[in-house]
Amino acid sequence: KQEVTQIPAALSVPEGENLVLNCSFTDSAIYNLQWFRQDPGKGLTSLLLIQSSQREQTSGRLNASLDKSSGRSTLYIAASQPGDSATYLCAVGGGGADGLTFGKGTHLIIQP
Amino acid sequence: DAGITQSPRHKVTETGTPVTLRCHQTENHRYMYWYRQDPGHGLRLIHYSYGVKDTDKGEVSDGYSVSRSKTEDFLLTLESATSSQTSVYFCAISIQNEQFFGPGTRLTVL
Repeated sequence: KQEVTQIPAALSVPEGENLVLNCSFTDSAIYNLQWFRQDPGKGLTSLLLIQSSQREQTSGRLNASLDKSSGRSTLYIAASQPGDSATYLCAVGGGGADGLTFGKGTHLIIQP
Repeated sequence: DAGITQSPRHKVTETGTPVTLRCHQTENHRYMYWYRQDPGHGLRLIHYSYGVKDTDKGEVSDGYSVSRSKTEDFLLTLESATSSQTSVYFCAISIQNEQFFGPGTRLTVL
């Protein structure tokens, strides 16, 4: 059974810092990996999708990497802002109709 | 915005009553999903659908059934709600292997 772990569970940093969120998964036979953002009481917003054949994806200040063989992904946030405060979720998928297996998330607070 | 709506957005019900949650998409995407989100457990897959009348079980399907009679609607039914089914329920669709989520339904079973 696939298990996804996110470290740290919570993180608080001053505004302007660059930071890294970590995600690991136990079964490397994944089709893709997706990073989401969730604000309190809200739904999930897709941030980045990395296909298993890719090594990284970038969107604005966000960069996600994937090392499938070691079962790891990182989400890099550059020049953090208070608006980045949210819970960040990592999820892996098997492709096709398969659902996603989620980590429990990293709760991020950016201090003004 | 992937055009996903969920109804109702909030519901309080009593143990033993039937409950149906609706997920509606405005486009004809083939794959649809139901997840629940609970503190300490994260999001877990309940059921999914790969086409009209084609559904399958996810990780936590006990106590739930689903139906998909047309492409745009995916219904989740709790035949006899229990307090352990108090949760936030999210519907999702897949577009080229990227999943997009609805706003969620907060269900409280008393």
